[in-house]
Amino acid sequence: EVHLQESGPGLVKPSQSLSLTCSVTGFSITSNYWGWIRKFPGNEMEWMGSISYSGSTSYNPSLKSRVSFTRDTSKNQFFLQLNSVTTEDTATYYCVRFWSYWGQGVMVTVSS
Amino acid sequence: DVVMTQTPPSLSVAIGQSVSISCKSSQSLVASDKNTYLNWLLQSPGRSPKRLIYQVSKLDSGVPDRFSGSGSEKDFTLKISRVEAEDLGVYYCLQGTHLPWTFGGGTKLELK
Repeated sequence: EVHLQESGPGLVKPSQSLSLTCSVTGFSITSNYWGWIRKFPGNEMEWMGSISYSGSTSYNPSLKSRVSFTRDTSKNQFFLQLNSVTTEDTATYYCVRFWSYWGQGVMVTVSS
Repeated sequence: DVVMTQTPPSLSVAIGQSVSISCKSSQSLVASDKNTYLNWLLQSPGRSPKRLIYQVSKLDSGVPDRFSGSGSEKDFTLKISRVEAEDLGVYYCLQGTHLPWTFGGGTKLELK
């Protein structure tokens, strides 16, 4: 059974960096495509980007140069870093194995 | 970016009723490999999103056949025949043909 679990702080101050970890069990991140989706207050969903089985990345241009994905294959984890956050980055963040498996989501609030 | 326009934003239904949700894209979703990467997701209350349908009309494993998807090019429809209580939640269309992948605004299905 494939299981994804997000972890990270639920509160981040404006201008700081948001860092989240996705821990995967039941499937190797060296196969398939993985990534991050976020859901804003209300219903809007946004694809943030992907990291492939080889570690190559693709990002949503809306995030410009603020976002980066990395991974640790020895721990079967991948990571999100979003820099210079504002209140508009307040959302629930999901890690995903596109598109069949989702983590439970972590709510992140950006507030001073 | 491809804009996905989903209607209606909400639906109030009785159990056993049939409903349809429309999703229109600003560009054709036919990819260079001739496939059309249009998905439908459901986010049930308190749960992570779950994909129901991929490539317009293919049901994911375990999805009841009362769900069906149709359409082509820029115009797509999700139909639910004989709505059951477990079908309530927010439905999203999602295009995976053009980067960045983009979502419709969601349709909230509620009980009448």
